[in-house]
Amino acid sequence: DGGITQSPKYLFRKEGQNVTLSCEQNLNHDAMYWYRQDPGQGLRLIYYSQIVNDFQKGDIAEGYSVSREKKESFPLTVTSAQKNPTAFYLCASSIGLTNSPLHFGNGTRLTVT
Amino acid sequence: QKEVEQNSGPLSVPEGAIASLNCTYSDRGSQSFFWYRQYSGKSPELIMFIYSNGDKEDGRFTAQLNKASQYVSLLIRDSQPSDSATYLCAVNKGDYKLSFGAGTTVTVRA
Repeated sequence: DGGITQSPKYLFRKEGQNVTLSCEQNLNHDAMYWYRQDPGQGLRLIYYSQIVNDFQKGDIAEGYSVSREKKESFPLTVTSAQKNPTAFYLCASSIGLTNSPLHFGNGTRLTVT
Repeated sequence: QKEVEQNSGPLSVPEGAIASLNCTYSDRGSQSFFWYRQYSGKSPELIMFIYSNGDKEDGRFTAQLNKASQYVSLLIRDSQPSDSATYLCAVNKGDYKLSFGAGTTVTVRA
């Protein structure tokens, strides 16, 4: 079955450590996205990529980095520069046409202490 | 002003009743509108999308769009306990990104 796989489901890290969240899709979608969700704040866009080897900052990119070396993969690194990294991280993809809906993976819940 | 605003709720409705959720958006140039359902601890799942003014029905769900007034609504008819979730309104301004509201939590009382 086609879908978006995020791993791991839960991730625990110590403050000051970088951590990479995995996102893989087999939907043959061109566009991929990373959102962050905090309680009561909805989803906020971190980064997005419309094609391989290209990506753009979203609304809250500071402290995060991404790469898009393959169409299927869009990993997100949460760096030690991110001040409040504890959150629910959601990866999504779309066919890449204007106004197309997003389809989400199951999310990774990151806790940094 | 937030790009997408929703009443946070909770909205409590009895089983079998109609749940009505509202969403307003700030950018008059917005082109497409989506409703996602999110169960606690889970990821959002798409339930409806609408591009044109008027109503769009899909099973027990009806989306309504009024671009002149910049609002979009979702009606859930014959509400079931399984409809208890947070409903996210999302708006696309004609590019590749969606802006999300904070969500409305719906509780259906048996």
